[in-house]
Amino acid sequence: NAGVTQTPKFQVLKTGQSMTLQCAQDMNHEYMSWYRQDPGMGLRLIHYSVGAGITDQGEVPNGYNVSRSTTEDFPLRLLSAAPSQTSVYFCASSATIAKNIQYFGAGTRLSVL
Amino acid sequence: AQTVTQSQPEMSVQEAETVTLSCTYDTSESDYYLFWYKQPPSRQMILVIRQEAYKQQNATENRFSVNFQKAAKSFSLKISDSQLGDAAMYFCAYGLGGSNYKLTFGKGTLLTVNP
Repeated sequence: NAGVTQTPKFQVLKTGQSMTLQCAQDMNHEYMSWYRQDPGMGLRLIHYSVGAGITDQGEVPNGYNVSRSTTEDFPLRLLSAAPSQTSVYFCASSATIAKNIQYFGAGTRLSVL
Repeated sequence: AQTVTQSQPEMSVQEAETVTLSCTYDTSESDYYLFWYKQPPSRQMILVIRQEAYKQQNATENRFSVNFQKAAKSFSLKISDSQLGDAAMYFCAYGLGGSNYKLTFGKGTLLTVNP
């Protein structure tokens, strides 16, 4: 009964380093999304995917890349980390039959020094 | 663009009492959904309740109910018989019908439950 799994849970990077936040879901959901949560800002959409091979930008896409080669996985890549990317990152999945309900992973807390 | 506003950054309630969290939204669409998510200190986002815009009946889930006023674009959450475990950040969210990949969130209301 895994649902949406995010790894790692915590990460510290230095400015300029790259890394990939992993997200996997086992519910066969076609839709997957990445959000970031900053203090006092709620959650904001970074990128999303409506199916394998199809991705698009959300509200705050700059500095992030995504790809979706399988239904299950939707990794988020930071090519050159910046302190402004210090945040908590959430992955979510949904399905047409789920009526807009998004199921969230436990989040990744990222600090960029 | 759709916006969601939660005007109460913090609220507090006594255990066993009732509290209402406010949310307003702005949209020109007719097909949409509204949600309340709870985020306890564990950081996990937990769905509390969901409302379909085309349904006039207010959604309820045990001690949680909403007051959905479509014309006023208002969507408040009522928590009855508050419990210590209800202490959390609560987010109101809007989802456009057919856009399962995107929710627009308010900034949240931090609820404290006093014993």
